[in-house]
Amino acid sequence: AQKITQTQPGMFVQEKEAVTLDCTYDTSDPSYGLFWYKQPSSGEMIFLIYQGSYDQQNATEGRYSLNFQKARKSANLVISASQLGDSAMYFCAMREYGDKIIFGKGTRLHILP
Amino acid sequence: ETGVTQSPTHLIKTRGQQVTLRCSSQSGHNTVSWYQQALGQGPQFIFQYYREEENGRGNFPPRFSGLQFPNYSSELNVNALELDDSALYLCASSLTTGGLTYEQYFGPGTRLTVT
Repeated sequence: AQKITQTQPGMFVQEKEAVTLDCTYDTSDPSYGLFWYKQPSSGEMIFLIYQGSYDQQNATEGRYSLNFQKARKSANLVISASQLGDSAMYFCAMREYGDKIIFGKGTRLHILP
Repeated sequence: ETGVTQSPTHLIKTRGQQVTLRCSSQSGHNTVSWYQQALGQGPQFIFQYYREEENGRGNFPPRFSGLQFPNYSSELNVNALELDDSALYLCASSLTTGGLTYEQYFGPGTRLTVT
């Protein structure tokens, strides 16, 4: 079974609209962490936001927020007021058992002018 | 604060050869992880180094090996290269404290092509 599932291979969104990128995960580790990364065409992975499994509140970083629903094992990324520069691949990832981080297959986001 | 750097940027090798990729971690970080990202896929965890020792490994054969140096920089070595080793190799540095590794910051990657 996949540890990280991103069901949207690609999305097209109009500039200035909000967008939600889906992510579900599966783990038996009670102390895990969830991450979202952005990867532009240049290839570099850019850290966006982190949510710990024990965090009571949803993480937010500027225009990014993580909609953490622990019982559903869901960690969706919400980008408010999308911009053309948001066009990129987005990866959801999970840290479990202290060390390695497992990535999903990614969602390619296209922001339309 | 210096970010994560990797060298070289691009590399072309022939099947059967050996390659060494290098990574300098971000200042203040003590842990380095290596990932392989094939085209159109998410990064796959190769291994992680903490305190100069391997601290976790993914499903990669022994011909993938690594080192971490006292200054926390790291090398990834791949022996007997195969065509399927062609990928973007990403290095990520992080701080491990209290047994947990926190958010990882990635370098720009090394694109390896095996012909």
